[in-house]
Amino acid sequence: QQQVKQSPQSLIVQKGGIPIINCAYENTAFDYFPWYQQFPGKGPALLIAIRPDVSEKKEGRFTISFNKSAKQFSLHIMDSQPGDSATYFCAASTGGGNKLTFGTGTQLKVEL
Amino acid sequence: SQTIHQWPATLVQPVGSPLSLECTVEGTSNPNLYWYRQAAGRGLQLLFYSVGIGQISSEVPQNLSASRPQDRQFILSSKKLLLSDSGFYLCAWSRHYGYTFGSGTRLTVV
Repeated sequence: QQQVKQSPQSLIVQKGGIPIINCAYENTAFDYFPWYQQFPGKGPALLIAIRPDVSEKKEGRFTISFNKSAKQFSLHIMDSQPGDSATYFCAASTGGGNKLTFGTGTQLKVEL
Repeated sequence: SQTIHQWPATLVQPVGSPLSLECTVEGTSNPNLYWYRQAAGRGLQLLFYSVGIGQISSEVPQNLSASRPQDRQFILSSKKLLLSDSGFYLCAWSRHYGYTFGSGTRLTVV
């Protein structure tokens, strides 16, 4: 019930492509869905987050799409660049201040 | 602004030696604090979390322990390290929504 399933485990795209990372959850009490970006040897950093009252949120080249009925959300990276190569984690939590449940991560490589 | 400090950045310790990793948060009060471990190329494993001084919840039985002696200080310890304790240790804090992670400690047990 508390799991967040993330796919794919790894992804390779060409520069300019649009990688899509998907996450699915079961707990309908989740009300906060962030995405974190982690570069090698660094801690994850918050990239973008969405609440379930909206279906899409954009910040620069990063977009979260949220499908409440399907209990799925995804991250799209427009015009991907080699500098976007990193590990991406989706997560979910119930209420403010509660601990996050993380997906297993997706290693993205953007090739020239 | 809030900042999180975690040290040391890297650590090489022999099997059987003790461990103490420290994390401190500045610019906020009464944060929730977390310790995570990340094996190479793997996901984030929650080890401990704390909602207040002296309040520690353990997520995974293991060779490690945590303490919170002050509101903004979180310490990860071990009395005797095992080879399997090697990994990338991350501290994080939250107050409302979302976490802020520290820069991590790379622990190698040899």
